[in-house]
Amino acid sequence: QVTLRESGPALVKPTQTLTLTCTFSGFSLSTSGMCVSWIRQTPGKALEWLARIDWDDDKYYSTSLKTRLTISKDTSKNQVVLTMTNMDPVDTATYYCARTEYCTSTSTNFDYWGQGTLVTVSS
Amino acid sequence: QSVLTQPPSVSGAPGLKVTISCTGGSSNIGAGYDVHWYQQLPGTAPKLLIYDNNNRPSGVPDRFSGSKSGTSASLAITGLQAEDEADYYCQSYDSSLSGVVFGGGTKLTVL
Repeated sequence: QVTLRESGPALVKPTQTLTLTCTFSGFSLSTSGMCVSWIRQTPGKALEWLARIDWDDDKYYSTSLKTRLTISKDTSKNQVVLTMTNMDPVDTATYYCARTEYCTSTSTNFDYWGQGTLVTVSS
Repeated sequence: QSVLTQPPSVSGAPGLKVTISCTGGSSNIGAGYDVHWYQQLPGTAPKLLIYDNNNRPSGVPDRFSGSKSGTSASLAITGLQAEDEADYYCQSYDSSLSGVVFGGGTKLTVL
């Protein structure tokens, strides 16, 4: 059974760095083709893909946010970590991690999602 | 402004059919990249509904189907049920942005 769960602070202040952890089970991120992405959903419900890390440690970032994002994995702990620097109120959103079983450079569908974690950016 | 354009809302009576469109451009759907569809029930995470344009994951009823043509894709839902009331999102890849893109979402109301 595949599960993913996001964890991290519910509230961060403007200019702070956000660190989110995705803890998963039921699959291994060392399996060829596997990858995990971070996706956020604004209060207005728009979905935005943020970053992805592959089984072979290849990393991909949203063009508009790449200067602020870092994604990493700890295969032994079954965790993927996303950091986002210089947080702003417009970054207030629900952050999801999601799995793709057969990642390619241009095709990524998300077959399992975590339940999401709401992050509010406010002073 | 989402790269993929969806109607904000659609509605239909129980038992009938609705179609949700997803319009892109030459750097995403029109370039041949696959389209995927998600269903998001209130208060839950999105769920994969259709992958690679027209394939259903195990457990998704065959009332749901997808198609793609040119720079657009569509999700069709037949035999509408009250439980289908949800938000629906399309997703693809965009070569100009070098990343995954989503539609703005469509709220389906079952009358």
